[in-house]
Amino acid sequence: EVQLVESGGGLIQPGGSLRLSCAASGFTVSSYYMSWVRQAPGKGLEWVSVIYSGGSTYYADSVKGRFTISRDISRNTLYLQMNSLRAEDTAVYYCARDQYYYDSSGDSSNGFDIWGQGTMVTVSS
Amino acid sequence: EIVLTQSPGTLSLSPGERATLSCRASQSVSSSYLAWYQQKPGQAPRLLIYGASSRATGIPDRFSGSGSGTDFTLTISRLEPEDFAVYYCHQCSSSPPYTFGQGTKLEIK
Repeated sequence: EVQLVESGGGLIQPGGSLRLSCAASGFTVSSYYMSWVRQAPGKGLEWVSVIYSGGSTYYADSVKGRFTISRDISRNTLYLQMNSLRAEDTAVYYCARDQYYYDSSGDSSNGFDIWGQGTMVTVSS
Repeated sequence: EIVLTQSPGTLSLSPGERATLSCRASQSVSSSYLAWYQQKPGQAPRLLIYGASSRATGIPDRFSGSGSGTDFTLTISRLEPEDFAVYYCHQCSSSPPYTFGQGTKLEIK
């Protein structure tokens, strides 16, 4: 079965660090673009970061310089290292697979087709 | 950064009615990179539409997407009770940052 399972969330004080994990099964993480998306309580979805299959990484301005996305091929797991945490980082964090679809002419389109169940991060003193 | 604005914020309809949700981009978005998701309380989002108009695997044909450039639409032809949820549009272009709309809540009238 193709699935993603996040872990590592919890209660952390402002300024602290936390590492989230996203274990994949049924597919190879390193073959896909993989993203982290978060959702503050009662709010909408916010894209956080992506790692491309080739290894390039990108971040939302709100987390740039504080968060680092990475992956472990041997463990087939995606990570999000979060440093210098702030109250506004409080959210459910989801990992998601970016699936590319190709039509008969070779043109591509994409969407986040597989999501984890989410892990809650609460930043509070 | 491309800003996506969804309207209306809340849509109140009855089962069997037609729902039309709008997503407007602050600059042109390739149709290839416009997706729609459904999210129910306590659940992760579910991909409905990719490439502006293609249904994802297992999505009923009452869901359809259309649009190009800066204006995109998600239509649900005949609402079923399980369709009442929050819907997000998403641009996932080749150049991050990716962005989501703020969501449209579809509620039972």
